[in-house]
Amino acid sequence: DIQMTQSPSSVTASVGDRVTITCRASQGINNWLAWYQQKPGKAPKLLIYAASSLQNGVPSRFSGSGSGTDFTLTIDSLQPEDFATYYCQQATSFPYTFGQGTKLEI
Amino acid sequence: QVQLQESGPGLVKPSQTLSLTCTVSGGSMSSGFHWNWIRQTAGKGLEWLGRIYTTGSPNYNPSLKSRVTISVDRSKNQFSLKLNSVTAEDTAVYYCARQNIYMDVWGRGTTVTVSS
Repeated sequence: DIQMTQSPSSVTASVGDRVTITCRASQGINNWLAWYQQKPGKAPKLLIYAASSLQNGVPSRFSGSGSGTDFTLTIDSLQPEDFATYYCQQATSFPYTFGQGTKLEI
Repeated sequence: QVQLQESGPGLVKPSQTLSLTCTVSGGSMSSGFHWNWIRQTAGKGLEWLGRIYTTGSPNYNPSLKSRVTISVDRSKNQFSLKLNSVTAEDTAVYYCARQNIYMDVWGRGTTVTVSS
């Protein structure tokens, strides 16, 4: 299985800050990577697909980059509604696997 | 707008079979997507269980050691999950999700507890 490792596990930030979350795959996955946002009691929500493409309806302050094994999710100018847990997921081979999550806290 | 809703028992006894159904509304299942099951626990995080195409063979997570079966009923716009021989480790929130390469529509999730 491809292991997905996120860092940090948690991060504390303030409204207006810029935050970067990293995801590393245990082997190359080209750009077959998605980022999801999850709020307590809710299902994950797709933010970014193909490593850098913004899902319809997602604010442009979210951006993704990377290819191969190293990827980043950046959130510019944090808004109150952005405080949540973020997960990466590889979609290059079965079984699909997720990172352990990064909790973004105030 | 497509919506997914999971349904099934919230409590299952150890060694029995967990059975869940995902109902797709607002769109047809015959429109070329894959339909997935994912579960979430505090200990293991998000775990992909498997998927099925509306007209194709399913794909499963090998870690479930052949305990899982996913099937589709296009006439009812539903797909289902069966997990055999459950233990307490199968206690989780179970989600169904549509996949268009990536999982873009998710159900709200349903909590299943395995306990006697």
